[in-house]
Amino acid sequence: QQQVKQSPQSLIVQKGGIPIINCAYENTAFDYFPWYQQFPGKGPALLIAIRPDVSEKKEGRFTISFNKSAKQFSLHIMDSQPGDSATYFCAARVFGNEKLTFGTGTRLTIIP
Amino acid sequence: DAGVTQSPTHLIKTRGQQVTLRCSPISGHKSVSWYQQVLGQGPQFIFQYYEKEERGRGNFPDRFSARQFPNYSSELNVNALLLGDSALYLCASSLSLQGAGDQETQYFGPGTRLLVL
Repeated sequence: QQQVKQSPQSLIVQKGGIPIINCAYENTAFDYFPWYQQFPGKGPALLIAIRPDVSEKKEGRFTISFNKSAKQFSLHIMDSQPGDSATYFCAARVFGNEKLTFGTGTRLTIIP
Repeated sequence: DAGVTQSPTHLIKTRGQQVTLRCSPISGHKSVSWYQQVLGQGPQFIFQYYEKEERGRGNFPDRFSARQFPNYSSELNVNALLLGDSALYLCASSLSLQGAGDQETQYFGPGTRLLVL
């Protein structure tokens, strides 16, 4: 299975809150899990990525939590700001294959 | 440094026509991938080229074709356009094939928005 399931579809959080976006996968051959941020009219921009040999990775206000046994990973945004309002995509890739398989996206709105 | 550039930014075509989309990767990047993003969905992989050779193909009909030039730029061609081909077409480049650590990160361009009427 190549699917990556992402939830929720949309999320509204107050400024300073911690939005959490979840993704689940079936294919155990996936070995690279990036998160992308996309603003309207723009291409996706890489935020942070993780490999299955670690359970957590932090870069600035963004944290990925990875649960290999559950085949799930999630993005946490600390101290969220209105400028974080965008669509977020999780993705996954099989070792030896350049193809990224994307989730369906989460539209995040941070209200002041 | 310039990022991935794509042209044109917008395009309107009618059913049955053909379209060519262009992509220039980040300087030094040898791998180019193409994705289709339908409104409200995640990008879907179409092709990947590395060193002018096709290295991967997604589940798209033969109406879709691509090539990569000696300067690593790339073109995506779509023949016999259908209404369902309306989408944002994204190009992504990376320094090398995946498995080379940070060099495998794919950087996306702004896309070409294609509308088929």
